Amino acid sequence: KAGVTQTPRYLIKTRGQQVTLSCSPISGHRSVSWYQQTPGQGLQFLFEYFSETQRNKGNFPGRFSGRQFSNSRSEMNVSTLELGDSALYLCASSFRTLLRQGNEQFFGPGTRLTVL
Amino acid sequence: LAKTTQPISMDSYEGQEVNITCSHNNIATNDYITWYQQFPSQGPRFIIQGYKTKVTNEVASLFIPADRKSSTLSLPRVSLSDTAVYYCLVGDGGQNFVFGPGTRLSVLP
Repeated sequence: KAGVTQTPRYLIKTRGQQVTLSCSPISGHRSVSWYQQTPGQGLQFLFEYFSETQRNKGNFPGRFSGRQFSNSRSEMNVSTLELGDSALYLCASSFRTLLRQGNEQFFGPGTRLTVL
Repeated sequence: LAKTTQPISMDSYEGQEVNITCSHNNIATNDYITWYQQFPSQGPRFIIQGYKTKVTNEVASLFIPADRKSSTLSLPRVSLSDTAVYYCLVGDGGQNFVFGPGTRLSVLP
C-alpha cells in the first residue's frame, strides 16, 4: 500500500511570506503528526491531528498551524516566515493517536523549506 | 519538562551487538518509549516501541528498567546497512513529544 506522501518536496520562500505544506497519510490512518528537523535543534514535534481534531501540540509559536480534513489529509501552515523556519518538515501517519496507545508512526520523505 | 539525552555517536564493527541508551528522567507514567532509525535524506523509520521491561521484534530489542528513566536499544549483529542516526522519542507528560538528540552509529567492516 502507498506510503505517506508530502508535497511539495522542496520550497523556497522569502521572509514574511506564508507557506502551506500538505501531507497524505497511509490509507486507513487517522492520525497525522508534523515535525520540524534542523541541524541545530534536531527533530521537534509540532502537532498531531486525529479525526480532524488537534490532539497534541509542541512548543511552537502560533505562526505554526495545521488542520486535517475528513479524508485524513493534513496541511500545515506557517505564517510570517522567518529565516529560522528553514528546515525539513516531516509528517507521519499512524492508525491510532500517538505514543500513549502504543502506536507505530510512518514518516513521509519531508518537505525541505528554505527561507531567504 | 521532558529532556532526553543520548550519546552523540558510536562506532561498531560488523557482526557486533550495539547498545544505545537514552535517558529520559521525566517520562510520564503512561507514556511509551519509541526508537527510530533515520538515513540521510529520508524520514525516520520505526524500529521498536515499549512501555516497560523488555520488548523484542525481528530487528531489535528494547530494555526498559523498572523506573523507566532510561531505555536501551539493542541491535544484534549489526551490518554496514545499519549505519544511520538513531533517535528515542518520549512524551513529556503533557501534549508534547520529545526526541533525543540522536546517536550517529557508524558500522565499520
